Amino acid sequence: EVQLLEAGGGLVQPGGSLRLSCAASGFTFDDSAMTWVRQAPGKGLDWVSSITGSGGAIEYADSVKGRFTISRDNSKNELYLQMNRLRAEDTALYYCAKHLRNWSFDASDIWGRGTMVTVSS
Amino acid sequence: TVLTQSPGTLSLSPGERATLSCRASQSVSSSYLAWYQQKPGQAPRLLIFGTSSRATGIPDRFSGSGSGTDFTLTISRLEPEDVAVYFCQRYGGSLTFGGGTKVEIK
Repeated sequence: EVQLLEAGGGLVQPGGSLRLSCAASGFTFDDSAMTWVRQAPGKGLDWVSSITGSGGAIEYADSVKGRFTISRDNSKNELYLQMNRLRAEDTALYYCAKHLRNWSFDASDIWGRGTMVTVSS
Repeated sequence: TVLTQSPGTLSLSPGERATLSCRASQSVSSSYLAWYQQKPGQAPRLLIFGTSSRATGIPDRFSGSGSGTDFTLTISRLEPEDVAVYFCQRYGGSLTFGGGTKVEIK
């Protein structure tokens, strides 16, 4: 079964850090570009960052550039998002998703259930 | 590129045709326009990619069309399980989502 399972969310103070992970199964992970998309409560979808299968190409939304770092460990079939200097506006449900093709920017055909990040004092 | 979806909410009876619009602030290649369905409490599900190609397992009552700056998702015969928020997405050179259209059953 094709599956993505996020973990690592929680409550963190403004300025703090958090590391999200996404465990993939059921498909060839190292052939797949992956992405993080977030959704603030009651709001729409907001792209955060993407990485190609080899990790050779990485893209960030301007809103997180310099604060977030995407990475992957193909030996473990895992995707990560290191989030530093967190702000209240980063509060959202963070989804991990697989791209249709191994492109930096692509539609996503497989999505996890998400992990909630709350930034508050 | 900003994607503007309309209407904000669409309320129709079962069996009716639903037409959802996604307008881009600049021209988008038809190869790079997708639609997603998000039911309450669930993750988004890919419906359409490349403007008109249905994703795996998507019923043929869902169809996509358009070009340039105007794109449309059509649900030919609305069913109760189609209640959801629908998002369009531009990809290819960046990743941008529209604000969504909520589809309700009367």
